[in-house]
Amino acid sequence: AAGVIQSPRHLIKEKRETATLKCYPIPRHDTVYWYQQGPGQDPQFLISFYEKMQSDKGSIPDRFSAQQFSDYHSELNMSSLELGDSALYFCASSLGVGGGSGYNEQFFGPGTRLTVL
Amino acid sequence: AQSVTQLDSQVPVFEEAPVELRCNYSSSVSVYLFWYVQYPNQGLQLLLKYLSGSTLVKGINGFEAEFNKSQTSFHLRKPSVHISDTAEYFCAVRWVGGGSYIPTFGRGTSLIVHP
Repeated sequence: AAGVIQSPRHLIKEKRETATLKCYPIPRHDTVYWYQQGPGQDPQFLISFYEKMQSDKGSIPDRFSAQQFSDYHSELNMSSLELGDSALYFCASSLGVGGGSGYNEQFFGPGTRLTVL
Repeated sequence: AQSVTQLDSQVPVFEEAPVELRCNYSSSVSVYLFWYVQYPNQGLQLLLKYLSGSTLVKGINGFEAEFNKSQTSFHLRKPSVHISDTAEYFCAVRWVGGGSYIPTFGRGTSLIVHP
């Protein structure tokens, strides 16, 4: 079965540079989530989109922005990169958001490992 | 703020031995509970989940977990581990009805299975 695709899988950038991470959800999934996982840390939720609109916002720095496009893929744009941005960035997708007492399983991609030098 | 605590950062165990990975969360209001496994250089994979019903939940790869509301715990167990179970395990909790549907993750427990 098709899974969540993330590109690139690895990215090396210098401080103050910009980076763009891409996420392609499972076909027919309309919701995308971004998480950041620092070395030895738990995944921290950054932001999510449902039907191309931002649906929830977590601890995403102001230097980061994201959007979801008409084909439901999403891009996370990161500017003025800092050493502390080095992490594994996960994208997950689901069919719907499962608000209230509903539940919609999130399927995770393999992640993009960003290294800032 | 709500929190998820995985008490053990690392659990070494010998192959074929039983294992328990502990998870506690901060509030006893209505919750959905999850365990994820992360193999090296891979994404998170859902092992099992508790939404409602029986407090004993069975998942993939022979894992099971028990929801204990009074102790606000959701410990993961396997009666006999295999080398291939070596991975990072994350407990996650979603507090229901609180406005957010985003789960909160614990810090993770590294399960190391020795031959």
